[in-house]
Amino acid sequence: DTEVTQTPKHLVMGMTNKKSLKCEQHMGHRAMYWYKQKAKKPPELMFVYSYEKLSINESVPSRFSPECPNSSLLNLHLHALQPEDSALYLCASSLDTRNTIYFGEGSWLTVV
Amino acid sequence: DAKTTQPPSMDCAEGRAANLPCNHSTISGNEYVYWYRQIHSQGPQYIIHGLKNNETNEMASLIITEDRKSSTLILPHATLRDTAVYYCIVRAYNTNAGKSTFGDGTTLTVKP
Repeated sequence: DTEVTQTPKHLVMGMTNKKSLKCEQHMGHRAMYWYKQKAKKPPELMFVYSYEKLSINESVPSRFSPECPNSSLLNLHLHALQPEDSALYLCASSLDTRNTIYFGEGSWLTVV
Repeated sequence: DAKTTQPPSMDCAEGRAANLPCNHSTISGNEYVYWYRQIHSQGPQYIIHGLKNNETNEMASLIITEDRKSSTLILPHATLRDTAVYYCIVRAYNTNAGKSTFGDGTTLTVKP
């Protein structure tokens, strides 16, 4: 089973709202990732967690705040977003950072 | 990681084999070739990967040339559900998988 579950599937939020995207996997993977994908573009890496510690932040604005509460869960906290942040946000996981990455179905975010 | 080049689009008749090429002429000896696909509005799906030998799984076959400068992903009997963007990615095993960049991929359209 290579399942990464993301909730919610769709989220509409105002620019002053605070919301969170959630990601869960039960494959025993110790690396988890957040990607952002704009329409007709490839996914772009935002953050990497390895063994619950943030290992890569691709210079993402602070209005995006990742959190890894345990080895199975990954959150992306959103605050004061801009309309240009509207995109598909993809969570992924792998056994460790060297191994094959498996993606979730994504969360569609619209900022109004 | 080595750069990859893929044709932007390809068509294939339903039931026929789809052969998707990828050029990676600067690949290093320790770099693997990975293939993912992304069906519209879904997260990327891992298909297959290989180092130098040809690989086959239930989804596809991966043929890597002897000099490893190019590879071909083969979907033996394409169906309409195989219509997707196919990404070829090259990366070394001991590098952070998240740092692998997705190129623009090949949009495969399977036609009835």
